[in-house]
Amino acid sequence: QVQLQESGPGLVKPSETLSLTCSVSGDSISSYYWSWVRQPAGKGLEWIGRIYNTVSTKYNPSLKSRVTMSVDTSKNQFSLKLSSVTAADTAVYYCARHTYYNGWFSPAMDLWGQGTTVTVSS
Amino acid sequence: EIVLTQSPGTLSLSPGERATLSCRASQSVSSDYLAWYQQKPGQAPRLLIYAASNRATGIPDRFSGSGSGTDFTLTISRLEPEDFAVYYCQQYGNSLTFGGGTKVEI
Repeated sequence: QVQLQESGPGLVKPSETLSLTCSVSGDSISSYYWSWVRQPAGKGLEWIGRIYNTVSTKYNPSLKSRVTMSVDTSKNQFSLKLSSVTAADTAVYYCARHTYYNGWFSPAMDLWGQGTTVTVSS
Repeated sequence: EIVLTQSPGTLSLSPGERATLSCRASQSVSSDYLAWYQQKPGQAPRLLIYAASNRATGIPDRFSGSGSGTDFTLTISRLEPEDFAVYYCQQYGNSLTFGGGTKVEI
């Protein structure tokens, strides 16, 4: 059974860098595309970006200047770094796996972590 | 960026009734790249429909998706108590975006 688990600090100071890791168990991280999605309390979902292996990334244009995603295949993990955070970055952060459709990348995410709450505050 | 507008914002129905949720895109979306999710309080989203009309693994057949171009619909044929939740549509064009959600409440 494939599982995803987010980890990282629950509190980050303004202007600092938010760092989260998603650990994948039960399958190889190299076989899929992976995304980060966030959700402020009481609000909707916002896609942050996706990564495939160590070479292919695509970010939300509104966050692109502050986002870096990476993969560590040796640990079967992928990571998110979001720089220069403000209170507006306070949210539940989810990692998720993309499925395939007709053998090609699908934007649909069929497996999600439980989410981790990150608060930006001094 | 393609904007997805979901309507209505809230749908008040009773168990056993039919729910029809709308997702309208600001530009044409490939049907291959339109998905629907269900989210309950305190839980991660759950994939219901991918490629506009394909049910994800384990999703009951009372859930169905349809549409093309700029207009897509999620239909729940007969609401079960566990179906009361928030539903999001999602698209992928040059970027990936979600709609604002429709809350289905009793």
